[in-house]
Amino acid sequence: DPKIIQKPKYLVAVTGSEKILICEQYLGHNAMYWYRQSAKKPLEFMFSYSYQKLMDNQTASSRFQPQSSKKNHLDLQITALKPDDSATYFCASKAGGTGQLYFGEGSKLTVL
Amino acid sequence: GDKVKQSPSALSLQEGTNSALRCNFSIAATTVQWFLQNPRGSLMNLFYLVPGTKENGRLKSAFDSKESYSTLHIRDAQLEDSGTYFCAAEATVTGGNNKLTFGQGTVLSVIP
Repeated sequence: DPKIIQKPKYLVAVTGSEKILICEQYLGHNAMYWYRQSAKKPLEFMFSYSYQKLMDNQTASSRFQPQSSKKNHLDLQITALKPDDSATYFCASKAGGTGQLYFGEGSKLTVL
Repeated sequence: GDKVKQSPSALSLQEGTNSALRCNFSIAATTVQWFLQNPRGSLMNLFYLVPGTKENGRLKSAFDSKESYSTLHIRDAQLEDSGTYFCAAEATVTGGNNKLTFGQGTVLSVIP
């Protein structure tokens, strides 16, 4: 059974719209992350959270907003979508500041 | 330039043969992780390394922090080893969750 659940697995959006990517982890980890993978770039760090607090943000655009309603949740809201936002977004978690990183199955976003 | 550089970018192996993948770092990596992304897109953590070596079945990995590189050796390659291998380096950040910086990946094809 997957321990990090991402929803939806696939989504298609129109330019200018807004979407929320859901992530729940059942590994008991304190640290959660979002990474993005596109055809043009390697896996790219976006955000890290620890105990529901933002620790690091490497995303230049404020259109990307992480939201943590519970310790094991880290959703990603994306507003004013652009075709360049098309990518697979991976949620990840680990037990603490250092340690093995585990990934969810990804949410593949296509913006038309 | 690339902070984490992987080589080769692509590799084709005959089933049953051995090979090695390499990562060179231009950041002060303290730990290294290796991942395999299968053709369906799922990312699996293979190794988490502090300086030293680890072995798991047909895979063996080494991390030399002084020389800033890591290697992943695959012995007796099998068809299910096909996919994209990523290395990722972690550099200690004071007060924050250490993020991983990924290389561009090595695409491995194991052929019968």
